[in-house]
Amino acid sequence: EIQLLQSGPEVKKPGESLRISCQGSGYVFRGYWIGWVRQRPGIGLEWLGIIYPGDSDTRASPSLQGQISISADESTSTTYLQVNSLKNTDTGMYYCARADGGQGFDYWGQGSLVTVSS
Amino acid sequence: DIQMTQSPSSLSASVGDRVTITCRASQVIGNDLSWYQQKPRQAPRRLIHAAANLHSGVPSRFSGAGSGTQFTLTISSLQPEDFATYFCLQHNEYPHTFGPGTRIDIK
Repeated sequence: EIQLLQSGPEVKKPGESLRISCQGSGYVFRGYWIGWVRQRPGIGLEWLGIIYPGDSDTRASPSLQGQISISADESTSTTYLQVNSLKNTDTGMYYCARADGGQGFDYWGQGSLVTVSS
Repeated sequence: DIQMTQSPSSLSASVGDRVTITCRASQVIGNDLSWYQQKPRQAPRRLIHAAANLHSGVPSRFSGAGSGTQFTLTISSLQPEDFATYFCLQHNEYPHTFGPGTRIDIK
């Protein structure tokens, strides 16, 4: 069974950094892109970036480039999203999802809730 | 960036109704579009890929059509479990971009 298991909820203060993890299982980890998607309260889905664990090729949304970084560790089948210089507006649910050969996202993690508040 | 729009932003419908949602891209994206359903407090779930291909396990009352810049998602006979929010996603060009969503409520 294909699964993406994300790390637990985070509470951070403005200006801090956070790292969320997403561990894949049930498929060949290095062979599929993993993307990150954010959903802020009352707002739709926002595509943040994507990584190919096989060679760590990474693309990030230009609007967030500089604030986020995405990495992967093949030895643990885990992808990471780091968000720096957090603001209150970074509060939301963060999802990882597997990209299915250019066909969008076929499997999703359960989400990691991030709260940024002073 | 490619901008995605959806219409309507919300609609009220009854069980058994036929419902169509439209997604438009600001430039040609071929058939590089997928559709997702999201229920409250759940992760999104893919319904359609490559504009018109049903994702495995998705009921056949869901269908997708279109190419280029205009796409539709149709639910042929709305069921109680279909009341949710629906998003389109273009994956033709980075950054990939989602539509703003269409919420379907019970009339």
